[in-house]
Amino acid sequence: DVKVTQSSRYLVKRTGEKVFLECVQDMDHENMFWYRQDPGLGLRLIYFSYDVKMKEKGDIPEGYSVSREKKERFSLILESASTNQTSMYLCASTQEGGAFFGQGTRLTVV
Amino acid sequence: KNEVEQSPQNLTAQEGEFITINCSYSVGISALHWLQQHPGGGIVSLFMLSSGKKKHGRLIATINIQEKHSSLHITASHPRDSAVYICAVNTGNQFYFGTGTSLTVIP
Repeated sequence: DVKVTQSSRYLVKRTGEKVFLECVQDMDHENMFWYRQDPGLGLRLIYFSYDVKMKEKGDIPEGYSVSREKKERFSLILESASTNQTSMYLCASTQEGGAFFGQGTRLTVV
Repeated sequence: KNEVEQSPQNLTAQEGEFITINCSYSVGISALHWLQQHPGGGIVSLFMLSSGKKKHGRLIATINIQEKHSSLHITASHPRDSAVYICAVNTGNQFYFGTGTSLTVIP
């Protein structure tokens, strides 16, 4: 019954590495989102996408990029990971009538 | 500015107590979600509301669209209810999240 799947629950990467966080949804939703969650700051929007090949910056896009080549997959890319990108990353997808969240990926950059 | 405000930020309760977490929002919404996050765990969606009230087991969620307010109630609380509860509103274009309420239920 899994609706939104994030590729990893836990990741440890080194500073400077290129990191890919994958999110796949099986509901044919058009809208997909990437958030990060930090203590005291809650969930903050990084990027979102309304359709294939479309992307919009959220509140904190610096240091991130995204890719939406297929409707079901929305990838978050850290071009050169830094320690301040250590966080919990959450993917969500929504369309009229429903919204679903992934389990989250806890990324540690060392 | 915070589009979604939750209260309280932290809550400690004795097992069996009735618990209420409140959420107020300032934007027009298509739906409101209550999410649960256990320590070290992922996020689980508990409810999606656009009007009225929903119940699932010991959990009850209500929403008043006119007042832009929602409450999450837990009846007969249990230590396994200890988690962070997050209110999220869907404006149709995106979500806005509250910063969460950290609940600890003591046996």
